[in-house]
Amino acid sequence: AQSVTQLDSQVPVFEEAPVELRCNYSSSVSVYLFWYVQYPNQGLQLLLKYLSGSTLVESINGFEAEFNKSQTSFHLRKPSVHISDTAEYFCAVIPSGGYNKLIFGAGTRLAVHP
Amino acid sequence: DTGVSQNPRHKITKRGQNVTFRCDPISEHNRLYWYRQTLGQGPEFLTYFQNEAQLEKSRLLSDRFSAERPKGSFSTLEIQRTEQGDSAMYLCASSAGQGTNYGYTFGSGTRLTVV
Repeated sequence: AQSVTQLDSQVPVFEEAPVELRCNYSSSVSVYLFWYVQYPNQGLQLLLKYLSGSTLVESINGFEAEFNKSQTSFHLRKPSVHISDTAEYFCAVIPSGGYNKLIFGAGTRLAVHP
Repeated sequence: DTGVSQNPRHKITKRGQNVTFRCDPISEHNRLYWYRQTLGQGPEFLTYFQNEAQLEKSRLLSDRFSAERPKGSFSTLEIQRTEQGDSAMYLCASSAGQGTNYGYTFGSGTRLTVV
């Protein structure tokens, strides 16, 4: 069975500081990796994904994540956060084969303070 | 296209009552998923439809839960004899094909409170 562990339930950070949200996964088959963001009272939105190719993937709003197969990790980073980045962030995997269902971690609440 | 629509946004019901939620996916999306999200947890997979066929159900979906997708368009999720443990956010997502290629679009969810 596959599982996703997000090591921090909450991450407080000051505006313009760097941040890293950690994600590790466990799977007996190869996986595709995703980060979703959920703003208050809104649906989940895709932030970035790794399917194949370069292990470093970037989003349009400055986030990046690196797939590390040996450490089974997919940590999310941003060099300088904004107040507007305050949200819940979910790491997820899709195991290869099957019906493409997402398996989510418990989430990390990023709180950016002025 | 207004995305994935879920109704109602909020539902408060008494224990033992039946409730039904509706999900309208993006019109050209043939794949539809239901998830449940409880406080402090990530979404958990409940069930999956490809067109009108229900192809996978999680063991979380007890016999009190039933989902349908008649004609492969909108979907309904019904919970019979609700229990307090059913209180959660119920999310719907759809995709045009394999979600890894086409991506998933999530609705804003229906928040169920069982009192």
